[in-house]
Parts: sequence; structure tokens; C-alpha cells
Amino acid sequence: DAGVIQSPRHEVTEMGQEVTLRCKPISGHDYLFWYRQTMMRGLELLIYFNNNVPIDDSGMPEDRFSAKMPNASFSTLKIQPSEPRDSAVYFCALRRNTEAFFGQGTRLTVV
Amino acid sequence: AQSVAQPEDQVNVAEGNPLTVKCTYSVSGNPYLFWYVQYPNRGLQFLLKYITGDNLVKGSYGFEAEFNKSQTSFHLKKPSALVSDSALYFCAVRASGAGSYQLTFGKGTKLSVIP
Repeated sequence: DAGVIQSPRHEVTEMGQEVTLRCKPISGHDYLFWYRQTMMRGLELLIYFNNNVPIDDSGMPEDRFSAKMPNASFSTLKIQPSEPRDSAVYFCALRRNTEAFFGQGTRLTVV
Repeated sequence: AQSVAQPEDQVNVAEGNPLTVKCTYSVSGNPYLFWYVQYPNRGLQFLLKYITGDNLVKGSYGFEAEFNKSQTSFHLKKPSALVSDSALYFCAVRASGAGSYQLTFGKGTKLSVIP
């Protein structure tokens, strides 16, 4: 978990509400990734950034999902409006050299 | 497209016995291979990697993995399992070429070490 702080750790929200997940990489990296983990699909890559620029967002499931990285120390993943099927654990990860370092994740429950 | 297969959803082993968690992969060119472990309510933690060189790589907590190019496998092993090794284990692959970014994960194998 070293090097990546995610907030909140848990989020429960009602269907239709906007949800913002946050990621703070606290050490040097060249890439930043957002993953989603569910029992059915395992780990899915949603989007990744290189030098704060979104490079590939083909994994983002729908237009309801968006991600930004305004600077090297902060990234957000937003879901608007949220749906129950978005319930999952969302991980931010950074890549340094060949290794990936994961945050502890945000467990999102949409009711 | 690259992919990883972990054929076993769950592996049960008695404490003190050797353990093996299987992984096969598919990727264009030479692979970079990784094992990660996930404990409950935690993110994935890096265990070990194969980049080049010796096919047997050693990692954290006494784990090791053997790269077998002909069988496209990278099985995780440990000579003597501990109860504390119980967790979810993920194998991952990335192509080694310049510009390769995507780390593709298997679906994970739940390891249960029985006292």
C-alpha cells in the first residue's frame, strides 16, 4: 500500500447520486491507473494516466464514469449518476519502473 | 491481446505443506510477470516479479515462482505454508516492449492454509 492514499475507504450512496473517489500518489511514478474489482469480473483496468494525461480510457464502462488528474499528486474518479451495479472496490495504482503499487481501495456501495 | 489464467479459484493446503498456485499467460513478445497478494480489505501487495534472467525468482515471505517459457507458466510456490499466507493471490502479465503499459491480472486464487 505504500505510496498511494485513497479516500474515502468506504462509501455508501443512493442510486442517482454523484460519487467522487480520490487518489493521492505520495511518491514518484510514471503512470497512474484506476482499477475496479468485483467478484464477477475480478480486476478491470478503467483508465490510466501518463504524466497526468489520460492515455487510455477504453475500460471506462460508460459515460457516467470520468477521471481527472489535475496534477501529479492527485486524481479523481467520478460516477454521475451512480447505479447499484457500480458497487465494487475501486483501486488506484501507480507504476514505478516495472512494479505497480496499489492503494487500499475504496469500497463503494450504491443502494 | 494479453491474458492471464489462474485455473483454480481456491487452493487448500495444510500448514507446513508445500503450496503451489498456478498461473499461465498469453502475451506478445517477452513477458514481464508478477505475483501480488491481497489480504482482506487491503490493496494488492507486490510479492515478486520475473523480468529477465534466472527462471526461478524469489520474493517476499518465502515465496518463489518459476518462469517456464515453453509452457507459458509462472506458478507461485512456497516450501512450507503458514496460516498467515491465507489470502487472495493474483498473477499478472505485461508485455516487455517500450510503451507497454497495461498490467493484466488473472481472476485470483484464494489460498486457505489450514492449521
